[in-house]
Parts: sequence; structure tokens; C-alpha cells
Amino acid sequence: QLQLQESGPGLVKPSETLSLTCTVAGGSISSSGYNWDWIRQSPGKGLEWIGSIHSSGNTYYNPSLKSRVTISKDTSNNQFSLGLSSVTAADTAVYFCARVVTVYGPWVPFDYWGQGTLVTVSS
Amino acid sequence: AIQMTQSPSSLSASVGDRITITCRASQGIRNDLGWYQQKPGKAPKLLIHDASSLQTGVPSRFSGSASGTDFTFTIDSLQPEDLATYYCLQDNTYPWTFGQGTKVEIK
Repeated sequence: QLQLQESGPGLVKPSETLSLTCTVAGGSISSSGYNWDWIRQSPGKGLEWIGSIHSSGNTYYNPSLKSRVTISKDTSNNQFSLGLSSVTAADTAVYFCARVVTVYGPWVPFDYWGQGTLVTVSS
Repeated sequence: AIQMTQSPSSLSASVGDRITITCRASQGIRNDLGWYQQKPGKAPKLLIHDASSLQTGVPSRFSGSASGTDFTFTIDSLQPEDLATYYCLQDNTYPWTFGQGTKVEIK
């Protein structure tokens, strides 16, 4: 059974960089046919796709965040990470990591999710 | 970005009722649409992908359909455990975008 777990600081100061890691257990992020994504949800609000890192290593970001976002992966530790620079209070949200299946025909987005981690931006 | 307009924003129904939620895409997305259920304090759960494909392990009372840029999600015979917020997601074109959500309450 695949499991994803987000980790990182729960409090980040304005203008600093938010850094989160998603650790994957029960499967390898090195396997072709899977992408690894970040999604966030502001308190009481809807869901926003942040970006994706493909099995090729290519990354894709939401243009609304593109200049501030970096997604990378560490295959030796079976983890992928999110960096979001110059944060403001508007970046306060629950951040989720999730998997996309691309190996079987049409993609299956977000079949597995982490539990989510709340990041608050405040001084 | 493709806009996903989801309606209604909330609904209240009785156990056993059939409910329907719709999402309209601002442009064609083929059938690249999923439906998710989110319970309070939990991560969303994939119910339907490719507009009408039931995810493994999901009860058959959940279903989805498509007609052009209009997508419909149905729960036949609403159950108490279906209390949740439901979201659509278009995965046709980056940036992927979600609908605004529909909060389902049980009368």
C-alpha cells in the first residue's frame, strides 16, 4: 500500500521560503509511469494545484506561483520536495502531496494523497 | 487557465435520495475530469477519473458522465457517510484546475 507523508515547518515568516518534503513509502518515485504533485488548500477554501515533477524529471508549475515555486526529487531517499519563496499570509494553507498515474493510458490524477500539513505564514 | 464552474455550491438531501453535481469547463477537456470527495480534516479521495471511470474500491452508487464540456457526478441513494465536500478536477491542460466544491449535507 502506497503511503505519502508531508513534513516540514508548520510556521514560516513572511518573505522567507517555505520548504516541504513528501516521503513516499511502498513504492519508488524512480519508477516510470508516475508523476508527483503538490496541491494546497487555504483555510476554508478550495483546492489549488501547485505543480508536478514527472518521472522524466521535468517540472510543471502553476503560472500563478511559477516564479516562486520549485519542485525537486531525491530518489535516493524516495522523496520529493516543494519550495515556495517570498511567502506571504496568502500562502497559509494545508499542503498536500499526491501521485498521478500515467502508465496505463489516460492519466489517473491523485489516486494517493498525503494527509496534508498546515503551513502558517506569520511573523 | 481552464475554468471549472461547479454547481451547486451546497445541497441538502435525505438518506436514499439521488443527488447530482455538475461541472462545466470553459473549454474542451475531452473526458479528462475527475471527482473527489473530501471529508473534514482529511485529504481528498479520488472517486471517478476519466469522467466516468469508477476508481477501484469506490461504491457503485457513485457515477459520472460527460456531455461536451458539461460533466455530471451522481450519488444514487445518498448514505450518511457521504457527508462531504465534492470537487471536480480537470487534468487535460496545465495548470490543472479544480471546481469550487459542493458541500453535501444530510437532512
